[in-house]
Amino acid sequence: EIVMTQSPDTLSVSPGERATLSCRASQSVSSNLAWYQQKPGQAPRLLIYDASTRATGIPARFSGSGSGTEFTLTIGSLQSEDFAVYYCQQCDNWPTFGQGTKVEIK
Amino acid sequence: QVQLVQSGAEVKKPGASVKVSCTASGYTFTSYYMHWVRQAPGQGLEWMGIINPNGGSTSYAQQFLGRVTMTRDMSTSTVYMDLSSLRSEDTAVYYCARGRSKWELDYWGQGALVTVSS
Repeated sequence: EIVMTQSPDTLSVSPGERATLSCRASQSVSSNLAWYQQKPGQAPRLLIYDASTRATGIPARFSGSGSGTEFTLTIGSLQSEDFAVYYCQQCDNWPTFGQGTKVEIK
Repeated sequence: QVQLVQSGAEVKKPGASVKVSCTASGYTFTSYYMHWVRQAPGQGLEWMGIINPNGGSTSYAQQFLGRVTMTRDMSTSTVYMDLSSLRSEDTAVYYCARGRSKWELDYWGQGALVTVSS
């Protein structure tokens, strides 16, 4: 099983600032990585797939990068609606998720 | 628009089984895989398995082998997830989610809370 590890567990950011979230795979997953956003009481929402492609309707302030074992999700200028938990998911083999990073208001 | 509508919350006793449904609309049902993902209270996401509505083939995560069965009904565009031998650790919200190409999950159901308690 490919283990996905996200860091940090919690990220405190002020509105308008940039947020950088990391995700590491225990073995290479090429570019087969997705990012999701989840707000309390809601289902997750797909943000990024293929490591860097924004899903339909996702604002340009969300960007993904990386390949192999190291990946980054960057939120360019945090809006109030961006405070949520973010999960990475490897899509190279049987899917596994990271443990999540909570982005909270500083 | 694409919609996945799941059945309602369930309360089950340990050892029982639960069957959760997920009815799809707004797209061609047989053109996309469907996944099941669960989330225990306050925890992360756990992938359970995948079904191909076109043919009904399935693959399950190792930890659920022998306990989970996924099926589909093409006449109603519905997929089902049946989990047996329930234990307290199975208390979770169960989501169905459509596979965009196969593995990325682009549309999700609203979730179904399954509570296992004596």
